[in-house]
Amino acid sequence: ETGVTQTPRHLVMGMTNKKSLKCEQHLGHNAMYWYKQSAKKPLELMFVYSLEERVENNSVPSRFSPECPNSSHLFLHLHTLQPEDSALYLCASSQWGAGVAFFGQGTRLTVV
Amino acid sequence: GQQLNQSPQSMFIQEGEDVSMNCTSSSIFNTWLWYKQDPGEGPVLLIALYKAGELTSNGRLTAQFGTTRKDSFLNISASIPSDVGIYFCAGQETSGSRLTFGEGTQLTVNP
Repeated sequence: ETGVTQTPRHLVMGMTNKKSLKCEQHLGHNAMYWYKQSAKKPLELMFVYSLEERVENNSVPSRFSPECPNSSHLFLHLHTLQPEDSALYLCASSQWGAGVAFFGQGTRLTVV
Repeated sequence: GQQLNQSPQSMFIQEGEDVSMNCTSSSIFNTWLWYKQDPGEGPVLLIALYKAGELTSNGRLTAQFGTTRKDSFLNISASIPSDVGIYFCAGQETSGSRLTFGEGTQLTVNP
């Protein structure tokens, strides 16, 4: 069983659709993160959760809505996305304050 | 915000050659990390460094935490085709601060 698991691996959605990305970690960590990875750009931190509380929201549009029901699960709810939101969305987890983060396999999102 | 300068952006080498890449920052980091990302996958942690001057190996990979604490290096010896991918450096300035990532080095290994 991998440490951080993301589903689905691939998602194609229309601009009027609503979908959710799921992340689950089995590492006993207490912090979880959403990153966006676009072509030829550094990883962009979107949201940070520590002990299920959102501690950071890096100016992410409201069409992205995170949810962290417990320390092992993280969701990213998507609605009315734009084509430029197409990217690889990565979930990561860590012990709060520690530098080392472990990533999931990512969800390749395409908005049409 | 803080940015890491990672170089080179891309490398094309022959199988068996050694590879070197580095990251520099304008401020001091307490932790340096190196990740590898295969196409369509998430980054996988290769090496973590916690102390200035530290030299750590993971198989054919060796990474060093620069003595100035503003840079780090990754070397791959005797490259093989499966070394192909994007290598990212990441750093943490202080405990609890967010990781900052470099833009990645795309490595291509020709058999």
